[in-house]
Formats: sequence, structure tokens, C-alpha cells
Amino acid sequence: SQQGEEDPQALSIQEGENATMNCSYKTSINNLQWYRQNSGRGLVHLILIRSNEREKHSGRLRVTLDTSKKSSSLLITASRAADTASYFCATDAEGAQKLVFGQGTRLTINP
Amino acid sequence: DAGVIQSPRHEVTEMGQEVTLRCKPISGHNSLFWYRQTMMRGLELLIYFNNNVPIDDSGMPEDRFSAKMPNASFSTLKIQPSEPRDSAVYFCASSLGAHEQFFGPGTRLTVL
Repeated sequence: SQQGEEDPQALSIQEGENATMNCSYKTSINNLQWYRQNSGRGLVHLILIRSNEREKHSGRLRVTLDTSKKSSSLLITASRAADTASYFCATDAEGAQKLVFGQGTRLTINP
Repeated sequence: DAGVIQSPRHEVTEMGQEVTLRCKPISGHNSLFWYRQTMMRGLELLIYFNNNVPIDDSGMPEDRFSAKMPNASFSTLKIQPSEPRDSAVYFCASSLGAHEQFFGPGTRLTVL
């Protein structure tokens, strides 16, 4: 079974709005990563947050991690059409290098 | 930096044929991963190598699948014989230790 489960499965918003995606997991982790996948392409790493961190920023991205709730959120501010993609969380619960990916959130930014 | 290179990008074959997918990781990376992505099952880790040695192949579906990494700059994933249910996008990724993984563009495999 998938360790990470993203919510919602699909999200459609207007350009300029903020997009929030959530990820829940089941067991203890050392870190959690978020990846983006554009249609027909490979995954691209966005950000890594360690279990002792609560929040991390990278440009328009903000990631939070709540280990007590075993959940993480990815916020994309001031969305752009180019942000249209699928977003996946991945955890290392099964080993430092053995990432387990969720099913992803498909984000659509409407111009 | 060329990134992770995979070939071929597309492969169409008939059931029963042998399929070989190839991957060149990023120079200097010591870990290599093979994933399979389908609509039904999402992204699944098939096998990964550290320093050319297979560490975990528990995700390999069955004996028809095999993977090798003869040196630090090349890996293959072979399916023999192929079946229609093997149709998927196969990704190779590499990393330096337990950090972010860099994915290749994938090979879209269609088995008729």
C-alpha cells in the first residue's frame, strides 16, 4: 500500500490563487519530499523537509510537516499556468533511500 | 549537466518479445533506482542499486524482470518475455546518497 496519500486527488484553481495539497502517511519518517511531474515527463524534486523541521520555504513553495498528525502540506502561492502538473509526496518510511510515493494530486491552473 | 538519460523513449513490442531498457545516471551519483508508473498502481519502486550493487529488488514483479548495473554509468532493466500487463512508463532515477532523486524522462513501453 502507498505510504503517502495526497489529498485532494485533483484541484483546479484560477491563476493567481493559492493551491494547497496535503499528504498523509502512516509510519515514522526521517524526511518527506515533494516532487512535481509535468505531463509526459519525469518527476522533479521540489523540496525536502526533515522530521525535526516544521516548515520550509522555497520561492513560492511552502511546506509544512506535522509529525504528530503524520501529515504534510504543500502550498503554492500566486499560482501560474506553468504550475499545472501532478504533485507527489514521498516518504522514506521503508528505508533511507527507498522512497514510497503517493498517488499524487493533479493540479490545474486556469488562465 | 545532461541529467539522467534513458533509452529508448518509446518502445512498442509484441507479447513474448524481450525488452531492454537502458539508463545512464548522473555522473558522480552512487545510487540508481528503477520505477514503474501506471494509472492503476501509481509509481512503484522496482529495484535500486548502491555503488552498482542491488540492494532491494522486492518490487520486481516476477522472474520475467531482471536488472543489472555493470558499472557506475550504466544500468539495464530487462523484461523477458514481455506481457501486455507490463505496459507502463518506466523511470530511472539517480541520487547521491539518501537525498533527492533525479529522474530521467522515462521509457513508455507498450506490449501488444
